[in-house]
Amino acid sequence: DTEVTQTPKHLVMGMTNKKSLKCEQHMGHRAMYWYKQKAKKPPELMFVYSYEKLSINESVPSRFSPECPNSSLLNLHLHALQPEDSALYLCASSQHPRADPGGYTFGSGTRLTVV
Amino acid sequence: KQEVTQIPAALSVPEGENLVLNCSFTDSAIYNLQWFRQDPGKGLTSLLLIQSSQREQTSGRLNASLDKSSGRSTLYIAASQPGDSATYLCAVVDSGNTPLVFGKGTRLSVIA
Repeated sequence: DTEVTQTPKHLVMGMTNKKSLKCEQHMGHRAMYWYKQKAKKPPELMFVYSYEKLSINESVPSRFSPECPNSSLLNLHLHALQPEDSALYLCASSQHPRADPGGYTFGSGTRLTVV
Repeated sequence: KQEVTQIPAALSVPEGENLVLNCSFTDSAIYNLQWFRQDPGKGLTSLLLIQSSQREQTSGRLNASLDKSSGRSTLYIAASQPGDSATYLCAVVDSGNTPLVFGKGTRLSVIA
């Protein structure tokens, strides 16, 4: 299995809702990442998990809460989002944190719309 | 802080043309460089990965070169096809272990 699987593919939520994005990989990768991508912009790093521990938080607002329950699974919990948080949320993994000779593998993303 | 620049921002070519996409980075002390393809609203597909010790990588009609000392990489696409239309992103991991840093991408349109 050489894929990163993200669910759901699309999500529409109200500003008072609580929802979660899920990311799963079975490649034995020990680093997992959340990126946010606005239209016609490059992906921007949000969080890095290294060996199931949060190692980087790029000053992301607390309404985004990441969780890594095990080495294969990464969640992003969403609460009280704003319309400007609407974006494509991408999950990625690499065998080792950051400097990995195997490169990064990305999922297909979750298209989030906040209404 | 590493910065990645891609030129041109957009490119439109007739089918069959060979083309070159350019990527430059400010800190030449990179660990590796990765080229991705992104279709509208979709995730990123890795095309080619070049380690800092390598000069080029090839996959089918794609060839990526790396000149680390000058901070440049090029992605060469031979005999372009309408199915190649997408955004192409260049990204680097630098030796300071900063996670992947992206350029803004080149939007390619291949006209049949």
